[in-house]
Amino acid sequence: DGGITQSPKYLFRKEGQNVTLSCEQNLNHDAMYWYRQDPGQGLRLIYYSQIVNDFQKGDIAEGYSVSREKKESFPLTVTSAQKNPTAFYLCASIGGASNTGELFFGEGSRLTVL
Amino acid sequence: GIQVEQSPPDLILQEGANSTLRCNFSDSVNNLQWFHQNPWGQLINLFYIPSGTKQNGRLSATTVATERYSLLYISSSQTTDSGVYFCAVTAVSGNTPLVFGKGTRLSVIA
Repeated sequence: DGGITQSPKYLFRKEGQNVTLSCEQNLNHDAMYWYRQDPGQGLRLIYYSQIVNDFQKGDIAEGYSVSREKKESFPLTVTSAQKNPTAFYLCASIGGASNTGELFFGEGSRLTVL
Repeated sequence: GIQVEQSPPDLILQEGANSTLRCNFSDSVNNLQWFHQNPWGQLINLFYIPSGTKQNGRLSATTVATERYSLLYISSSQTTDSGVYFCAVTAVSGNTPLVFGKGTRLSVIA
């Protein structure tokens, strides 16, 4: 089945450790996105990539890093510089033209930093 | 950047009731989507509707792009409709990703 797979679904880490969240899609979409959601809040954009080997910062990129070496994959690293990393992280990709196509989400990864 | 406001922020309905959720945006858009986030956090696509009207079962949506708003109608609500409904838009004026509103939290009680 075509879709977006995020892993792990749940992750616990100690403060000061870097964490990498995986996002893989087999929809042949060019553009991919990472959003962060805090409890009771909306979605905020962390990073996005419209093409392989290129990515742009979103509204809250500080403390995060990404790579886009393959079309199918867009991993997100939450670094120790991120002050409040505990959140729900959602990966998405868009079909058709970037930003005007239909956005689809993975099931999310819940990160808890102890 | 474009601003997105959703109303009401919270809504409690008796099962079987109808409701209308509103999304106002501050600029012309070339993309507008409605999503439902279920209690497990999954975001489900409801409508891709930058303009016009669409219907899918008990749900329908209308976007009046010239007046900068969209409406999501839920008829004969069920407890499984509970969750958060998000509107997201992209402005025509900028080639930027979708911007999300803060959502409407819907609780349908039996």
